[in-house]
Amino acid sequence: DAKTTQPTSMDCAEGRAANLPCNHSTISGNEYVYWYRQIHSQGPQYIIHGLKNNETNEMASLIITEDRKSSTLILPHATLRDTAVYYCIVRVSGANNLFFGTGTRLTVIP
Amino acid sequence: GAVVSQHPSRVICKSGTSVKIECRSLDFQATTMFWYRQFPKQSLMLMATSNEGSKATYEQGVEKDKFLINHASLTLSTLTVTSAHPEDSSFYICSASREFQPQHFGDGTRLSIL
Repeated sequence: DAKTTQPTSMDCAEGRAANLPCNHSTISGNEYVYWYRQIHSQGPQYIIHGLKNNETNEMASLIITEDRKSSTLILPHATLRDTAVYYCIVRVSGANNLFFGTGTRLTVIP
Repeated sequence: GAVVSQHPSRVICKSGTSVKIECRSLDFQATTMFWYRQFPKQSLMLMATSNEGSKATYEQGVEKDKFLINHASLTLSTLTVTSAHPEDSSFYICSASREFQPQHFGDGTRLSIL
């Protein structure tokens, strides 16, 4: 599986957009980009995934560069409840075992 | 969205006892279930993968006789920590998936061995 690189931590003001980057320069053509987040003392929560097109759902938007070597998760209007560790994972299928890196600790500031 | 229920959410027990944790997919049939462990301030580490009706596949370094996994149906998997000791204290998390769909996780079980 391709390795991902994320910043260790980020801050975002409440109500502003949170943009979380992820580098996956060795991604293969059949690998998807998955995003999960983990709020303290809870299990990870699925957010979104994509292959090459940008994706949007009720939680977030996923922007994947044309060369697929990096992506950005966008939370359009961050709230305090979005404070969590966000994991970017590259995998052929989401049904396969996921390997979690260290993720990005996002802190939403009032 | 898909719901995965994990029970119990917290267990405190004496050293040497065995603890069973249940993981249920409530609104879908999970072809595969996964068990993870997370120590404080660390990321999730995969322990084992189980498919309904077959033996679990354990990750390197995870003792299969210590962590018994049963996946008896498409909606239920159990993890039994046998003869638990303080070093087994951790946050145990399960997830469930079906083919070509993202994994969905339970809320975890915090195990404390005294």
